[in-house]
Amino acid sequence: GAGVSQSPRYKVAKRGQDVALRCDPISGHVSLFWYQQALGQGPEFLTYFQNEAQLDKSGLPSDRFFAERPEGSVSTLKIQRTQQEDSAVYLCASSLGTGGTYEQYFGPGTRLTVT
Amino acid sequence: RKEVEQDPGPFNVPEGATVAFNCTYSNSASQSFFWYRQDCRKEPKLLMSVYSSGNEDGRFTAQLNRASQYISLLIRDSKLSDSATYLCVVTYYGQNFVFGPGTRLSVLP
Repeated sequence: GAGVSQSPRYKVAKRGQDVALRCDPISGHVSLFWYQQALGQGPEFLTYFQNEAQLDKSGLPSDRFFAERPEGSVSTLKIQRTQQEDSAVYLCASSLGTGGTYEQYFGPGTRLTVT
Repeated sequence: RKEVEQDPGPFNVPEGATVAFNCTYSNSASQSFFWYRQDCRKEPKLLMSVYSSGNEDGRFTAQLNRASQYISLLIRDSKLSDSATYLCVVTYYGQNFVFGPGTRLSVLP
């Protein structure tokens, strides 16, 4: 079956531009997560949705970052007024259930470069 | 101090070698533990869950020591295809996955 998909796969933005990154989770998966991965580091948690409810956004680095999942399926991560430090790979993951025991399935990521 | 720490690596080993990775975590209120594998420029994928009694999957053995807050992964008879970054993951009740920084393994012919 289809896995998690993300678009675009690559995005180059000029400093100050707004960007929107899309995630299509596996159909039927309740939980959706966004992570930021810098080069040579493990993924860092950004935010978590259970269906359409954003239950945890403690990892969002600033108020320039905003995520939504209005119908409980597709999610969008928006970054306003991008800065060079936002350059990273943004990974989306989904899991069938809630809580920490369920395997997370990751998308291929969006590589964002801010120039 | 980071919540999850791993051997810094990289580990360069010959084919057929046995290699062990270590991971420590700081929060004792932990729920579940996993090892994920990430190939270069790819997404992480689950390698195996880690159970309290220890578990084995073919050439891979995972162990958990809750008292010492320590997890390990042993790979026997290394293959070239084992070359990747291995990520230790810890989850907490009601919380989300916390990833370690990863340990890179290169298996050399």
